[in-house]
Formats: sequence, C-alpha cells, structure tokens
Amino acid sequence: GNSVTQMEGPVTLSEEAFLTINCTYTATGYPSLFWYVQYPGEGLQLLLKATKADDKGSNKGFEATYRKETTSFHLEKGSVQVSDSAVYFCAPTRGPNAGNNRKLIWGLGTSLAVNP
Amino acid sequence: KAGVTQTPRYLIKTRGQQVTLSCSPISGHRSVSWYQQTPGQGLQFLFEYFSETQRNKGNFPGRFSGRQFSNSRSEMNVSTLELGDSALYLCASSFQGAADTQYFGPGTRLTVL
Repeated sequence: GNSVTQMEGPVTLSEEAFLTINCTYTATGYPSLFWYVQYPGEGLQLLLKATKADDKGSNKGFEATYRKETTSFHLEKGSVQVSDSAVYFCAPTRGPNAGNNRKLIWGLGTSLAVNP
Repeated sequence: KAGVTQTPRYLIKTRGQQVTLSCSPISGHRSVSWYQQTPGQGLQFLFEYFSETQRNKGNFPGRFSGRQFSNSRSEMNVSTLELGDSALYLCASSFQGAADTQYFGPGTRLTVL
C-alpha cells in the first residue's frame, strides 16, 4: 500500500545552516505531495506542495521538488533561522487520482531545532 | 476568513468516560477531517466528513465516532475512554476533501487518567 518515510529526528542545526529533510514515498499512480509544518503549541499548516512530477514547491525559503524517478520529495532550505524550529511532516496523497477515497498519508514528522 | 476553531482546547477525563470534541471549519469548506496525534504514532487519520456524510475512515475502533451538521461543523465522540486515548486531536477543513490542502485547528489536548 501507499506509505511515506521521513528521516528521523530530532535534527539540530545552527542558525544559517543548510537544511535537508528527506522524504520518500511509495504510491500507485501520481500522488500530490505536501509538506506541513507544526510550530510549538499549534496545529499543522501547509508549507508547500507539488502536484505533478518535476514540480517545485516553495515557500518561506523552503523548497521541495517532486522526483517521480526516485519517489522523493526532500525538503531543503539554504539558511535556517531560529524561527524555523518546528516539526515537519511529509504527506503524499493516497488512493485513486480522483474520487472520494483520496486522503493524505502522513509521515511521523521530523523535529527541527535551530540554535542561535 | 476566520480559521478552524476547536473546542475545548484542553480536557481531562477518567477511564470509562466519554468525550465530545467540536470543530468549526473555515467558512465555505464542506470537508472536515479528524486526526489523532501522539508522540509514538505521529498523525493518524480518524475520519473525514463531507456534506454531512462520512466519506473516509481510518483504522480506529468503533468507540471513535463523528458527525457533521448542515453548517459543516463537526463533532467527534470517544466512548469508554482508555488511557491510550490521551492525545492531541486535530481537526482540519478543506474545500474539496481529505487529499486537498488541509487547514488545521489548534487541536484539543485530551488527557485520560
């Protein structure tokens, strides 16, 4: 069945370091791919998404490219800030490309701590 | 637009009790999904309601149930609470469904003693 694997955390970086959080998935068809972020004490919010192969999603300096050949959607940021400290979730869609049974499959999340 | 609201934010119950959580989606959104978040299991999908009908269901026991009203507001009920039900329960609304961009509420923190 469809599944997603994220790199385990916690990830601890110094401010201005380069960030990569790996995400790979197994899926049939052509899922849409999402990254969500959860700041401390808050619910999740969409960070970026990509809906077809080779699409690049970007937001707040974060980027991720939909790589169908490697079934990956790695999250990157060139220079992290303390305010990026949060938990990051990778989520591909699951189910047929259309219809009511589609839903997101969630990774376990990767905790990121950025030190000043 | 106002965001997704959930009430109550915190709840403490004892084993065997039941609990009802409420979620008000973003205006115009007809889909409401519920998730359970725990440190060990991550985010797990409970169910999705769309236009008052349950459209999707996760792998949770029948003690977990929900409903959606005509104004799209949704409630989730857990009966016969167990210690393992302690978690953050998140509600998310979307325009098209559980595979569309989800807009999350802040969650209800349930503690079962």
